[in-house]
Amino acid sequence: GAVVSQHPSRVICKSGTSVKIECRSLDFQATTMFWYRQFPKQSLMLMATSNEGSKATYEQGVEKDKFLINHASLTLSTLTVTSAHPEDSSFYICSALDRNRETQYFGPGTRLLVL
Amino acid sequence: QQPVQSPQAVILREGEDAVINCSSSKALYSVHWYRQKHGEAPVFLMILLKGGEQKGHDKISASFNEKKQQSSLYLTASQLSYSGTYFCGTEELEDSGGGADGLTFGKGTHLIIQP
Repeated sequence: GAVVSQHPSRVICKSGTSVKIECRSLDFQATTMFWYRQFPKQSLMLMATSNEGSKATYEQGVEKDKFLINHASLTLSTLTVTSAHPEDSSFYICSALDRNRETQYFGPGTRLLVL
Repeated sequence: QQPVQSPQAVILREGEDAVINCSSSKALYSVHWYRQKHGEAPVFLMILLKGGEQKGHDKISASFNEKKQQSSLYLTASQLSYSGTYFCGTEELEDSGGGADGLTFGKGTHLIIQP
């Protein structure tokens, strides 16, 4: 089946640093990728929709200058958490849309801990 | 607006059936269903777009009512592997009636299957 990878799987960083998370679709082309955030014991929250070759669409309340999204190719989208703070600690999940199969495939997630 | 999921939790024995409901006060563009196991990224199950639609296979299927405000996920003859938290995600119809607003997730339904 289709696979989406995320890197890194876990990251610990100091407050004020920037962290880049990569999301790759390994065996299909994804014109659309989604970025989610999930706090412990809470529901998923869609942060933004990333379309290849164009600017990402951010959900209300998500700061586009803080969460930079780049979808430079049909298989790669990156999320950069700039000047991370402890409240940004969360589980970040990406998914990629395979339009041919009308299916969304999730990456394994990235656990971010900001100290 | 966040969709309302019910029940919050359900405990079943293997082989029993379960129904999980997801409802909105507004007409929806789509309903997405996901299953998430503890500590893992969610897995996309299916998307429903049309009023009156029923989708899936024998064991896991879902319906979307004619008014497009309510969806149910049906788990038949449950297996141990079905345990997890089930989320519905909904897209509301834009006020203009054309496309969809962003995806919002319900709080989840915890499903525990016992041998």
